[in-house]
Amino acid sequence: AQSVSQHNHHVILSEAASLELGCNYSYGGTVNLFWYVQYPGQHLQLLLKYFSGDPLVKGIKGFEAEFIKSKFSFNLRKPSVQWSDTAEYFCAVILYNQGGKLIFGQGTELSVKP
Amino acid sequence: DAGVIQSPRHEVTEMGQEVTLRCKPISGHNSLFWYRQTMMRGLELLIYFNNNVPIDDSGMPEDRFSAKMPNASFSTLKIQPSEPRDSAVYFCASSLGQQNSPLHFGNGTRLTVT
Repeated sequence: AQSVSQHNHHVILSEAASLELGCNYSYGGTVNLFWYVQYPGQHLQLLLKYFSGDPLVKGIKGFEAEFIKSKFSFNLRKPSVQWSDTAEYFCAVILYNQGGKLIFGQGTELSVKP
Repeated sequence: DAGVIQSPRHEVTEMGQEVTLRCKPISGHNSLFWYRQTMMRGLELLIYFNNNVPIDDSGMPEDRFSAKMPNASFSTLKIQPSEPRDSAVYFCASSLGQQNSPLHFGNGTRLTVT
């Protein structure tokens, strides 16, 4: 079955540290990829998305992600995190020919210490 | 744009009672999704509709769960009878239904079954 795996369950960083959250998916066909963020007590918000073209995509708040097709990966990065980035981050995949069905990873909780 | 609207925001009920969660998608969106979020299982897709028709309900846990979408602007998720293990945050999301359409999430309903 198709799945999305996020390697880290909980990441703790100090402010200004660099961030990389891993995401791998298991599906051999064409996919669209997303990262969503959920701030404490809030709903999920779209951070960035990849459909085609340049595999390095930039999102809001200084986040970026790189799609590496050969590795089935879509890792999220930020050069310098802030305390306000404390949230849970979800990688998600839409499979072609699945009617827009979005499959989420388990999520990675990021805690940034001031 | 008011976004996806869910009600109620919080619901506390006793085991055995019927619970109905409501969702109003973004106007013009033709796909609607119901997700459940728990600490143990993360975000699970329960069911999704395209043009008011249920496309995939394989994520609905049991017959106690049912969902309807009588028109393009309203959907319900019903649990009857409810059980303590149904306690979770239930999110509704909508999209344009195309392969590259991101989902827009509502604020969720936090359900507690005692």
